[in-house]
Amino acid sequence: KAGVTQTPRYLIKTRGQQVTLSCSPISGHRSVSWYQQTPGQGLQFLFEYFSETQRNKGNFPGRFSGRQFSNSRSEMNVSTLELGDSALYLCASSLVAGTTNYGYTFGSGTRLTVV
Amino acid sequence: GQQVMQIPQYQHVQEGEDFTTYCNSSTTLSNIQWYKQRPGGHPVFLIQLVKSGEVKKQKRLTFQFGEAKKNSSLHITATQTTDVGTYFCAGLGRDSNYQLIWGAGTKLIIKP
Repeated sequence: KAGVTQTPRYLIKTRGQQVTLSCSPISGHRSVSWYQQTPGQGLQFLFEYFSETQRNKGNFPGRFSGRQFSNSRSEMNVSTLELGDSALYLCASSLVAGTTNYGYTFGSGTRLTVV
Repeated sequence: GQQVMQIPQYQHVQEGEDFTTYCNSSTTLSNIQWYKQRPGGHPVFLIQLVKSGEVKKQKRLTFQFGEAKKNSSLHITATQTTDVGTYFCAGLGRDSNYQLIWGAGTKLIIKP
């Protein structure tokens, strides 16, 4: 089956611009989470969507936003980009039944560089 | 809030030596998951532990979940170059509203 698809793979933006990243989860997965990873750092949780609703949110400023569509595809948007937003942005989908999360499948990520 | 501490941050080993990483949660977990991220890659799901005291093996990898469901470990026997990468644990707290709490990862480095 197809994996998690993130587009674009690479992106270069200028400070002050905005950017939209896309994530298509595995078919049947209704949970989509977004993470930011900077060099040598762990995974910083941005937000999670489940059935088009934001279920959890990390400690990021309001410039970071997201949404999920009825087909479970998700987008995240970063407005007014700052140099510190340069990072690998990872999307992960999972099959959730009740309180059981059957493990995340990550996409290859979008590497964003802000100049 | 809930935290998952993972140690060590780095571990340098000679090929053939063993490797262990530990995770400790500030609260009781419903389950814990382990992931591996190769250099330049993305995290890949390895396993999920659910039961108190559970031990699972995958070839040279042994995963344990503590009796109190607050700690976990991953042990690799006789490391190989293919084991290089960062290993993350991620725990689901009982009252975390489905949100996984991630450890900071342990980077396994094989000495040349």
